[in-house]
Amino acid sequence: GENVEQHPSTLSVQEGDSAVIKCTYSDSASNYFPWYKQELGKRPQLIIDIRSNVGEKKDQRIAVTLNKTAKHFSLHITETQPEDSAVYFCAAKVRGTSYGKLTFGQGTILTVHP
Amino acid sequence: DGGITQSPKYLFRKEGQNVTLSCEQNLNHDAMYWYRQDPGQGLRLIYYSQIVNDFQKGDIAEGYSVSREKKESFPLTVTSAQKNPTAFYLCASNPGQGYEQYFGPGTRLTVT
Repeated sequence: GENVEQHPSTLSVQEGDSAVIKCTYSDSASNYFPWYKQELGKRPQLIIDIRSNVGEKKDQRIAVTLNKTAKHFSLHITETQPEDSAVYFCAAKVRGTSYGKLTFGQGTILTVHP
Repeated sequence: DGGITQSPKYLFRKEGQNVTLSCEQNLNHDAMYWYRQDPGQGLRLIYYSQIVNDFQKGDIAEGYSVSREKKESFPLTVTSAQKNPTAFYLCASNPGQGYEQYFGPGTRLTVT
């Protein structure tokens, strides 16, 4: 089955710096890659996603890039703010599997220091 | 806030007891999922269901059971056979056409 590895497990940055989180996946048939943000004690919420027919997607300060050849994708957060502090999860969905069935990475704890 | 509810928010049980976690959604979604979250391990899939009266095991189904008698409801029972039941449990749903999963607020289960 699909395996998703996420790095780093913790990331500490100063406010205004950029943050990058990377994930690799094992199944070349994966075709959907979402990123979720989870604040302490809250539910995960989708912040951005990308499909396999696109190499990059941006939404204000957040961007995701996908390298299908290398089977990795990354989350980029620019001009970080303290409210960006949370746990971030990447995930991958394999084409042809039951709809929405995702395999998640282990998570990255991002801390943005004021 | 997503239309998925889980109850209760906190649950305490003694070892050896079965416990059922509730998950309800009013989004008319076909697919529903149960995940377990432990520190440093991300979200691991326990069970999922694509339609009423049908469900499949996920990656860590041992010691858990589910039912899907209604489209809106997907309860999870943590049985006494689950060796380490203390965790944060998240329910999610998906409309079946798109890919985004919507999560419930979670239930934190503590077994002593």
